[in-house]
Amino acid sequence: QKEVEQNSGPLSVPEGAIASLNCTYSDRVSQSFFWYRQYSGKSPELIMSIYSNGDKEDGRFTAQLNKASQYVSLLIRDSQPSDSATYLCAVNVGRLPGGGADGLTFGKGTHLIIQP
Amino acid sequence: KAGVTQTPRYLIKTRGQQVTLSCSPISGHRSVSWYQQTPGQGLQFLFEYFSETQRNKGNFPGRFSGRQFSNSRSEMNVSTLELGDSALYLCASSPPGREDYYEQYFGPGTRLTVT
Repeated sequence: QKEVEQNSGPLSVPEGAIASLNCTYSDRVSQSFFWYRQYSGKSPELIMSIYSNGDKEDGRFTAQLNKASQYVSLLIRDSQPSDSATYLCAVNVGRLPGGGADGLTFGKGTHLIIQP
Repeated sequence: KAGVTQTPRYLIKTRGQQVTLSCSPISGHRSVSWYQQTPGQGLQFLFEYFSETQRNKGNFPGRFSGRQFSNSRSEMNVSTLELGDSALYLCASSPPGREDYYEQYFGPGTRLTVT
């Protein structure tokens, strides 16, 4: 049973500070890792993807992956009130030999609140 | 480029009825996946289609089915609706070359309420 674990929060961060969101996963063969942002009543929006160990930066967002520890994180620098949302971590093992796979496995999400 | 579109956006059905939801992927995307989102279970994978073939299926009963057409548009069908099928149904598509990584872009969803 593949699992993706996230702290549900809420995580409250002052405006302008760094928000740190964490995710652990159970399947050691996972190869693809994603962070989605979901505003209340809206669908998930892909904000970061990461496939290899280390850091990946895109604007104010940095994704960090440590496969040995089965841990992926998202840092949001200079947090803005518009960053207030639920952040979903998603993991996939990729296409297996023979074609099998089972879509993305999502965590339940972390509710982030940026306080003005 | 237009995003993933889903119709209808909202639907109310009665237990025992069936429903068909439609999804048009981003232009050029050939892989389409469907997910169910509920407050209790979160986002769960239903199935994936690529070039009109179902490649993968999640752990859902046979009442949930889908298909994909030659233009990559996809439909999912739920027969004999149950109250527990009330959920947000999301369609997602993957860019060419990213299908095997499951890099996916979601549509706005169809909110299904079963009464």
